[in-house]
Amino acid sequence: EPEVTQTPSHQVTQMGQEVILRCVPISNHLYFYWYRQILGQKVEFLVSFYNNEISEKSEIFDDQFSVERPDGSNFTLKIRSTKLEDSAMYFCASSEVGRAGELFFGEGSRLTVL
Amino acid sequence: QKEVEQNSGPLSVPEGAIASLNCTYSDRGSQSFFWYRQYSGKSPELIMFIYSNGDKEDGRFTAQLNKASQYVSLLIRDSQPSDSATYLCAVANQAGTALIFGKGTTLSVSS
Repeated sequence: EPEVTQTPSHQVTQMGQEVILRCVPISNHLYFYWYRQILGQKVEFLVSFYNNEISEKSEIFDDQFSVERPDGSNFTLKIRSTKLEDSAMYFCASSEVGRAGELFFGEGSRLTVL
Repeated sequence: QKEVEQNSGPLSVPEGAIASLNCTYSDRGSQSFFWYRQYSGKSPELIMFIYSNGDKEDGRFTAQLNKASQYVSLLIRDSQPSDSATYLCAVANQAGTALIFGKGTTLSVSS
């Protein structure tokens, strides 16, 4: 069964460092998303991406965050200068055209900022 | 601020019983509603979606939607211990470009 893959599974970084989280969405999906979940809290929307541009972004997705699809398979989330409060599980998800809410999530990348 | 509200639980039911999970949402213009299951330490997994008022059944799961009351529910019949998880209600924004999740209801099914 096709799946969304994410790397790394866990990253520990120092505050102020840049982090790049990588995702390979399901190959025939055209919508891509990043969500995050702080431990014990709800899943929060960060950004959606379609046709090589951002479709929607939340208030959380400020200038410290960026997304990119550098090639035909990868979708990345960059955090330029990490803060302690960026510590969370970051989930990449993808969906088919016309089925935008029917998300397939990756296993997540746990980011710990020290 | 668009909100999705769920009772965090835990909801405890014996094996074989019906589990009823509820969700309310604030955006009256919402059109698409989803239930995801999240096992501890895992990612969310879609189990049901519903777009029209009424009931939608899929195996042991039934989703119910009442747009007038801004209420969505999920019934799990013949609950099994493997159903023990957190159930997340999610509502799509009107553009369909983002899901707003509730905090989730933790279900515990005892054998």
